[in-house]
Amino acid sequence: EADIYQTPRYLVIGTGKKITLECSQTMGHDKMYWYQQDPGMELHLIHYSYGVNSTEKGDLSSESTVSRIRTEHFPLTLESARPSHTSQYLCASSDSRTGINSPLHFGNGTRLTVT
Amino acid sequence: AQTVTQSQPEMSVQEAETVTLSCTYDTSESDYYLFWYKQPPSRQMILVIRQEAYKQQNATENRFSVNFQKAAKSFSLKISDSQLGDAAMYFCAYRQAGGSRLTFGEGTQLTVNP
Repeated sequence: EADIYQTPRYLVIGTGKKITLECSQTMGHDKMYWYQQDPGMELHLIHYSYGVNSTEKGDLSSESTVSRIRTEHFPLTLESARPSHTSQYLCASSDSRTGINSPLHFGNGTRLTVT
Repeated sequence: AQTVTQSQPEMSVQEAETVTLSCTYDTSESDYYLFWYKQPPSRQMILVIRQEAYKQQNATENRFSVNFQKAAKSFSLKISDSQLGDAAMYFCAYRQAGGSRLTFGEGTQLTVNP
């Protein structure tokens, strides 16, 4: 059963729209991540957070922004969606208290299509 | 920079047979962690197994085991007695000790034939 939730599961939106992908976790994890994954391809880290008010850009350049105002919530925002943003977005979290090899817990993902 | 390579985009196995998925990585670090994640179709990605680089003993979780060759920088996943539910995309991942960021491989799509 998932303890990390992403909404919406699927989203089709027109070019130029502002969208926010939601991610929430109920496990009290301090670290959260956003990955971008094209179908059948590897995951690329686009944003991560070590805790409240801490956000960093990942390995893949992204025009999205994130915020971490609450521990459990890590939304990702695209100010102006473009067709190149069409992809799957995976949110994940981990708990540094369980040790430095703590695994990631993933949400179900949001599949975004920009027309 | 660390890289993770999965050279098998697709693999297939007969139900009840054994299959091995390959993963190699490149790092200059001596202490790190390696993971295999499973992503079933349209479902949540879950951790299958993890290995700590300083441990020589290969990790095992029920039907899943790894062959960790540190000198060769190889980390293969063996699935024994394959089941239909094992069909998924499998990702190998690397994390540097003390770090939080995972580097993922390209993935291997595993098909299990009845």
